[in-house]
Amino acid sequence: RKEVEQDPGPFNVPEGATVAFNCTYSNSASQSFFWYRQDCRKEPKLLMSVYSSGNEDGRFTAQLNKASQYVSLLIRDSQPSDSATYLCAPRRNTGFQKLVFGTGTRLLVSP
Amino acid sequence: DGGITQSPKYLFRKEGQNVTLSCEQNLNHDAMYWYRQDPGQGLRLIYYSQIVNDFQKGDIAEGYSVSREKKESFPLTVTSAQKNPTAFYLCASSPTGVQTNEKLFFGSGTQLSVL
Repeated sequence: RKEVEQDPGPFNVPEGATVAFNCTYSNSASQSFFWYRQDCRKEPKLLMSVYSSGNEDGRFTAQLNKASQYVSLLIRDSQPSDSATYLCAPRRNTGFQKLVFGTGTRLLVSP
Repeated sequence: DGGITQSPKYLFRKEGQNVTLSCEQNLNHDAMYWYRQDPGQGLRLIYYSQIVNDFQKGDIAEGYSVSREKKESFPLTVTSAQKNPTAFYLCASSPTGVQTNEKLFFGSGTQLSVL
């Protein structure tokens, strides 16, 4: 099983829709998670960090389900500017760690 | 302004040629990383360095080499042994790589293509 798995998509949604996608992880020692947003041929940029049960920032909500070992990202009132690839990366809470990314989920929001 | 600088933005390699991608950071970060990204794929770790004069292989190190002679610099050489080098290469750094809330800072990437 891969350490991090994401549905590659693409998720095609109309403007204003609510969309959610999951990131599953295999290492139960993972304690925190990062969601990065990446535009085509650009560097990833940190969207949100998730340390406990969840986090909310405007239209974006991340929730962590430790029992089922997945973290989700929900986008409300999606905008065409949200079109991008969303990468998930888990972290353990001890020691040096190289950040391992999922393949990313591609989102396309049409006007 | 502090940040990570990758150069060049575009690089072309001839068959059998070694090429070196530059990565410089002025964030005073100890840890640095190199990732490779293929179209429609996520980031795969090539090499990483926790501290000066030390580096470790990542998941796809074959055909690549690195050095970490200075804290601010972590160049990546794509050797002729790498048979499929065409990809987008991203350099990143973090303060230590240890803290739970520690995010990565990325450079803007280098697109390498084979002629």
